[in-house]
Amino acid sequence: GAGVSQSPRYKVAKRGQDVALRCDPISGHVSLFWYQQALGQGPEFLTYFQNEAQLDKSGLPSDRFFAERPEGSVSTLKIQRTQQEDSAVYLCASSLGVTGEQYFGPGTRLTVT
Amino acid sequence: GENVEQHPSTLSVQEGDSAVIKCTYSDSASNYFPWYKQELGKGPQLIIDIRSNVGEKKDQRIAVTLNKTAKHFSLHITETQPEDSAVYFCAASILGPGNEKLTFGTGTRLTIIP
Repeated sequence: GAGVSQSPRYKVAKRGQDVALRCDPISGHVSLFWYQQALGQGPEFLTYFQNEAQLDKSGLPSDRFFAERPEGSVSTLKIQRTQQEDSAVYLCASSLGVTGEQYFGPGTRLTVT
Repeated sequence: GENVEQHPSTLSVQEGDSAVIKCTYSDSASNYFPWYKQELGKGPQLIIDIRSNVGEKKDQRIAVTLNKTAKHFSLHITETQPEDSAVYFCAASILGPGNEKLTFGTGTRLTIIP
């Protein structure tokens, strides 16, 4: 079946611009996660939804980062007033629930110039 | 919070030999330990996982062991093949109602030498 999809795959933004990154989870998956992966590093947790409820946003680095999942399916990660340090790959993952098994999308590579 | 350390950062192995990657975790409450393989330009792919009530799990050429007392777990790949070349990440989680986040290690770049 279809896996997790993310769009766009690549995004270049000028410093100060706002960006929106989209994630389509696997159909029927209750939980959705956003991670940030810097070059040469492991993914770092940003935020997590169970259906439409955002249960944990402890990893969001600043109030410029905002995520939503209004209908419990597609999710959007928004970054306002982008900074160079926001340059990274943003990964989305989904799971059936408290099974632990998270399935990742291909990521969106964000470059802030 | 949870801290996961992973060693080595790079590993080169002759084709057909075995590869071992080790991770340690800090929070004794962690109960779920997945391993991911990441190829260039792709997202991490779940290859095997283990839960805290199990000491060892095997799937064909891949096995994972868990030592809860020492708080470490390892990935073993036998009969390595060129397609095993990738970056491997371990992770740990305290799975429970309202918590599913993964804490990842820093990765091991595995190169299989033909």
